Amino acid sequence: RLQLQESGPGLVKPSETLSLTCTVSGDSISSIYYYWGWIRQPPGKGLEWIGSIYYSGSTYYNPSLKSRVTISEDTSKKQFSLKLSSVTAADTAIYYCATHFYLNWFDPWGQGTLVTVSS
Amino acid sequence: QSALTQPASVSESPGQSITLSCTGTSSDIGGYNYVSWYQHHPGRAPKLMIYDVNKRPSGVSNRFSGSKSGNTASLTISGLQPEDEADYYCCSYAGNNVHVLFGGGTKLTVL
Repeated sequence: RLQLQESGPGLVKPSETLSLTCTVSGDSISSIYYYWGWIRQPPGKGLEWIGSIYYSGSTYYNPSLKSRVTISEDTSKKQFSLKLSSVTAADTAIYYCATHFYLNWFDPWGQGTLVTVSS
Repeated sequence: QSALTQPASVSESPGQSITLSCTGTSSDIGGYNYVSWYQHHPGRAPKLMIYDVNKRPSGVSNRFSGSKSGNTASLTISGLQPEDEADYYCCSYAGNNVHVLFGGGTKLTVL
């Protein structure tokens, strides 16, 4: 059974780069069936898809964030990572990683990690 | 591209049925049968309830069902129970450039 867990700093300064890692257990990150995605939820707001990566390394990004987002993978560590550059307070959110089937549905999700952007 | 449109909140009594709506466009909901629904209790991981418009994952109660008509998708919950009280989000594939859109979420209150 797949399980995902986010990790990374809970506090990032404005203009810096937010970096998070998602560790996958229960199956190979190189499976042809899975994409791996990042989603966030700002306080009091809804869910926003950030982007996803396929085992081949192909990436797919939300057009509104594309200029600041990089998603990468480390198959040897069964991890994939998110980098979001030039952050502002608007990037404060709970960040989730999830298995993204066929760029369609997300299941399962990690527990989420709160990242606050503040000086 | 804008988020999918969901009512901010709905409420219903235990034992009753309720339908949550999710409105998009012909570029997302109307163009593909790739709508999914998530139940989110604050502080917990979102849970997949429906995928591919009307398919239920293993372990999800058959009280939950999904449908689509034109550019609007719906999630129906029958026999409402107190534990169904949560936020519900719809999600749709939106083509090769936008890829994924979420709705703004509906807060369901079971009175």
